[in-house]
Amino acid sequence: QQQVKQSPQSLIVQKGGIPIINCAYENTAFDYFPWYQQFPGKGPALLIAIRPDVSEKKEGRFTISFNKSAKQFSLHIMDSQPGDSATYFCAASTRIYNQGGKLIFGQGTELSVKP
Amino acid sequence: DTEVTQTPKHLVMGMTNKKSLKCEQHMGHRAMYWYKQKAKKPPELMFVYSYEKLSINESVPSRFSPECPNSSLLNLHLHALQPEDSALYLCASSQALRGGVGNTIYFGEGSWLTVV
Repeated sequence: QQQVKQSPQSLIVQKGGIPIINCAYENTAFDYFPWYQQFPGKGPALLIAIRPDVSEKKEGRFTISFNKSAKQFSLHIMDSQPGDSATYFCAASTRIYNQGGKLIFGQGTELSVKP
Repeated sequence: DTEVTQTPKHLVMGMTNKKSLKCEQHMGHRAMYWYKQKAKKPPELMFVYSYEKLSINESVPSRFSPECPNSSLLNLHLHALQPEDSALYLCASSQALRGGVGNTIYFGEGSWLTVV
């Protein structure tokens, strides 16, 4: 119940395409869903995050869609660029006391954007 | 740029050595974390400190010893490590809220550890 399932494992798109990465969870206590972007040799960087009281959030070219009833959320990257090539992790956490420090990560998606 | 600073960036140590990883943040956060990340895997939580007290220990072997000297600093002391402990060690921080820790977690660039 603590898992977050992420797919696909890897993704190749052409420049300008719209890669979509999907995540699903079971624990209804999760109340915060961030996405992290990680370049090789670097730490994960917070990209965008959403709480379950909204169905969509946009920041620049990045959009999170959230479906609370299906317990699924996804990341869309509009007009993707080669510089977006990185590994993307979805995650979930809860503010329940003594569990609030735990980010449960998906397994990651390695995105490659071809010129 | 991340506001969580980790040193050293790279560390090579023998199995009998004692070394430490250091982390510093100046965002006023009161929760700090150690994560371990292997290649092509997600980060795995090791320890959480909230208000300088150890809040979560994910059953980490005692050869890893965390320390939080103050609200801005977090150390990870390493002793008698094994080659399989070679990984990227990530420090992170977040605001600490009443009754628990905040959700938005910011990571440092990590310390690459190689155990020989």
